[in-house]
Amino acid sequence: TQLLEQSPQFLSIQEGENLTVYCNSSSVFSSLQWYRQEPGEGPVLLVTVVTGGEVKKLKRLTFQFGDARKDSSLHITAAQPGDTGLYLCAAPSGTYKYIFGTGTRLKVLA
Amino acid sequence: DVKVTQSSRYLVKRTGEKVFLECVQDMDHENMFWYRQDPGLGLRLIYFSYDVKMKEKGDIPEGYSVSREKKERFSLILESASTNQTSMYLCASSFSAGFGTVFDYEQYFGPGTRLTVT
Repeated sequence: TQLLEQSPQFLSIQEGENLTVYCNSSSVFSSLQWYRQEPGEGPVLLVTVVTGGEVKKLKRLTFQFGDARKDSSLHITAAQPGDTGLYLCAAPSGTYKYIFGTGTRLKVLA
Repeated sequence: DVKVTQSSRYLVKRTGEKVFLECVQDMDHENMFWYRQDPGLGLRLIYFSYDVKMKEKGDIPEGYSVSREKKERFSLILESASTNQTSMYLCASSFSAGFGTVFDYEQYFGPGTRLTVT
């Protein structure tokens, strides 16, 4: 059974701090996605990484896919209250399906 | 602006009732999905559909059925609601990358239906 484990499960930080969220698996994936879910809404895609070692930047967010394509990280620089939400990683499992990680709930305090 | 809508944001039902959750997408997507989201468990796939009238079981299909009579609409049915089906239900849709290709198209999610079964 393929599993995606995220850490930490919860994170509460002050505005302006940096943080890193991890997504790990024992399986190799062809690609990996990161979503953010705000309270009362469905998840929204932030990025897809495809190549081992790939780094993508989205403003203050930096995403990295591990060299072996088994893990990924999300680094946020100078976190802001607007970054508050549930961060989910997801990877393909079969032709049409995805599996999702358990999520990291981030709260950024002003 | 792409949109996935779900029929209700909040729903309260009694044990044993038949419950219908409706999802509509306006993006002409081939694939549609139903997930449930529970704290600490992430999103778990209940059923998905890759074409009209086509469906496949996900990881937790027991107690659920689905219907896709039109491309834009995917319904989740709880045949006899139970308290352990109290959860957040999320519908999603995506383009199909084609059989055998790397499937990395974005999933678009609805806002969710929070179902409480008492």
